[in-house]
Amino acid sequence: RKEVEQDPGPFNVPEGATVAFNCTYSNSASQSFFWYRQDCRKEPKLLMSVYSSGNEDGRFTAQLNRASQYISLLIRDSKLSDSATYLCVAPLRGSTLGRLYFGRGTQLTVWP
Amino acid sequence: EAGVTQFPSHSVIEKGQTVTLRCDPISGHDNLYWYRRVMGKEIKFLLHFVKESKQDESGMPNNRFLAERTGGTYSTLKVQPAELEDSGVYFCASSPTSAPQYFGPGTRLLVL
Repeated sequence: RKEVEQDPGPFNVPEGATVAFNCTYSNSASQSFFWYRQDCRKEPKLLMSVYSSGNEDGRFTAQLNRASQYISLLIRDSKLSDSATYLCVAPLRGSTLGRLYFGRGTQLTVWP
Repeated sequence: EAGVTQFPSHSVIEKGQTVTLRCDPISGHDNLYWYRRVMGKEIKFLLHFVKESKQDESGMPNNRFLAERTGGTYSTLKVQPAELEDSGVYFCASSPTSAPQYFGPGTRLLVL
């Protein structure tokens, strides 16, 4: 079983829509998680860190359900610029240092 | 502040040849990581340096891969001899203590 599993997508939504991505992780000891965003042929860039039950940053909300080992990312009022691949990431054994485990990514396209 | 830089951006070599990839982390970041994304797969961890020491090299695929970080600054990843399955995008990332990892733009390696 992979450490991190994501919705494969792709998701195609109109501007202004709300879209949610899901991710499950296998290591119950993991304490913190990350959502990275990757544009086509670019490097992954940190979008949000998730350390407790969840957090919100503008139009983006990340939620963590430890009992179900499930993480979600909600994007409200989608913009064209949100089009990218979203990567769910879990560190080894919950530490913020050390190796990261990546999901395969969920591709989002926002159309006008 | 300058980000993580990698050189070269692209490399095309023949099977059996040697390639050396370079990564310059963000200044002051003691932690340096190498990752690889093979086409169609998720980004996978290769190894982790803390300053000049290898903290975790469990992700290195075989002994054809050699990573160094002399002086605790930049790092090199050498593949010798290269095989077809080594093709992919090699990312370097760096972080200070207890912080998310910041990724470089990657080196796209194609082995023919």
